Order: sequence, then C-alpha cells, then structure tokens
Amino acid sequence: DARVTQTPRHKVTEMGQEVTMRCQPILGHNTVFWYRQTMMQGLELLAYFRNRAPLDDSGMPKDRFSAEMPDATLATLKIQPSEPRDSAVYFCASGLVRTGDEKLFFGSGTQLSVL
Amino acid sequence: GDSVTQMEGPVTLSEEAFLTINCTYTATGYPSLFWYVQYPGEGLQLLLKATKADDKGSNKGFEATYRKETTSFHLEKGSVQVSDSAVYFCALSPLKGGKLIFGQGTELSVKP
Repeated sequence: DARVTQTPRHKVTEMGQEVTMRCQPILGHNTVFWYRQTMMQGLELLAYFRNRAPLDDSGMPKDRFSAEMPDATLATLKIQPSEPRDSAVYFCASGLVRTGDEKLFFGSGTQLSVL
Repeated sequence: GDSVTQMEGPVTLSEEAFLTINCTYTATGYPSLFWYVQYPGEGLQLLLKATKADDKGSNKGFEATYRKETTSFHLEKGSVQVSDSAVYFCALSPLKGGKLIFGQGTELSVKP
C-alpha cells in the first residue's frame, strides 16, 4: 500500500538547535501539507504546496520555520532555532487534489520534544 | 474565518452502545465536510465525507449527514466496538482548495 513516510518518528533536542523533519509524499500526489498537533491547539495547518509550489504558509512562524519541496519525492520542515513551545507532533499529508474534496493521506508523524 | 467545533471528550461508552459525536461548522460558501479518525501512535485516516447539503457519508457502520440549515455534520454509529476507540476529527475543506480545517478532536473510549 502506498503511504506517506515521515522521518524521524521521534526527535528530542535542546533549545536553540536546528530541527529538520522530512516527508516522502505518495507518488503522483500533487499537494503536500504540514500540520502541527498539540493538546492545546489541536491540528494546525502550517503550510502546503501544490505541484511543489508553496500555496500558503500563513500558519507558520516565519522567523524560525521554513518549509520546502526540493523535489516531488521530498518535503522538509525546518525549525531554527527550536524552542520548547515547538514541542508537538508534526504531520505531513499528501493528496491528489483537484476539486478540494479528495482524501488526504497522513504520515505517522514526527514527535518533537524541545528541552 | 472558517472553523469547526466538536463536542469535548473523552466520550466513554460500553460496547454496543449508540454513538453520537456532534460537529458544527462556520464557513463561507459550500465546504466539503469530513470525519477523520486517529488511532494511537498513527496519523489520521479518512473515515467518511460529504460534499454537498443533504449528502450522507458512511463507512464501517459510521454515518454523518451534511445539514446546511443547522451547519452540522454529526457522526453516528449504532453499535460501537472496542476497536472503535480512537480520536475522531471533524473537518471542512473551504473553497475547494484542498486544505482541511480541523476541529479539536473527540476521544472515544469503548469498554468491553
């Protein structure tokens, strides 16, 4: 079965360090999303790409977060410098979006702890 | 802006009980509506969806009807099983852009 692959599954780091999370979307999908899940805020959309072009990153703190798609098989989310409030589960999702009601496929997430 | 409100959890039920999880939304236009489910340690999976008013989505015994007049999309199941224990998320896709706006999630725990 095709699936969205995220690495690493878990990351523990110290405040101030750079964190890079990676996502391999399902082959053929044209849209990739990054979501952050916390107990307090629930699921928040950070950024998303259509055909590798950024469509919306308004949910992302621009001063420390950056998202890219260097090629169709890889999406990255970087935090530099990381802070304890960034501790969360980060999910990548992909879909073949045409009309906006298509199913999204989620990865298993990266659980980030910033000490 | 667009938003989704779900009933707070956790919801604890006995096996074979009837389940309702309430979901209401605020949106401009005519969004598509979804229920996603998250099992422990996993990502979200689509459970069902409805794309226009009065549509009923259904899957694995779960149902939800798109009610435009009450801006609601309540999830129901006639007889829950222990394996249904998970967190359920109501979501909408505004303006056909593909992005999903999620509710807070409702944790369901089903006891034998």
